Amino acid sequence: DAGVIQSPRHEVTEMGQEVTLRCKPISGHNSLFWYRQTMMRGLELLIYFNNNVPIDDSGMPEDRFSAKMPNASFSTLKIQPSEPRDSAVYFCASNPSVGGNTEAFFGQGTRLTVV
Amino acid sequence: GNSVTQMEGPVTLSEEAFLTINCTYTATGYPSLFWYVQYPGEGLQLLLKATKADDKGSNKGFEATYRKETTSFHLEKGSVQVSDSAVYFCALSDVQAGTALIFGKGTTLSVSS
Repeated sequence: DAGVIQSPRHEVTEMGQEVTLRCKPISGHNSLFWYRQTMMRGLELLIYFNNNVPIDDSGMPEDRFSAKMPNASFSTLKIQPSEPRDSAVYFCASNPSVGGNTEAFFGQGTRLTVV
Repeated sequence: GNSVTQMEGPVTLSEEAFLTINCTYTATGYPSLFWYVQYPGEGLQLLLKATKADDKGSNKGFEATYRKETTSFHLEKGSVQVSDSAVYFCALSDVQAGTALIFGKGTTLSVSS
């Protein structure tokens, strides 16, 4: 398996524009996570899905952020409108477990810069 | 709620020195505990894990023991190498309690030759 695949790897956009980050989890994995990493706040869980259903979105910073998982092999994280403080590395991760505590597998991340 | 606290870095060591990175957790249930490593420009990779009290996880010379009495999961290595320079994250997961994988803030390790 190719692992968790994120795209794009890098995104530079202007403030106010819409940004869409994409993730393809490992085939057969039941859970998917979106994280944001910054120097100041470390690694923050934004949202996680189990069997395509959002379970906990309490980490989504505000209404400008939204995430979807239309099927088991694809998820998006959208920021609309984007702001400079959204600049960060966004990671997607998946794990194979439903109800168990197995490890998550991470993608390479998307480095977002909002200018 | 559940949380993870790990020692702040950076930690700077010479090659072959002994490494300890402290990690403590707060959990309402019975979590599994993990150490992840992040090399520059990459995503996080699992280093080791332990799923119940007194379990010891080990990999690549690193070890950590799940101590329920002290709610700790400290990472140790007897002799670090330059190639161990990275950011290390302690994490817990307790799906039964509705807690997805949550991380400490990370500790940067820098090893010089």
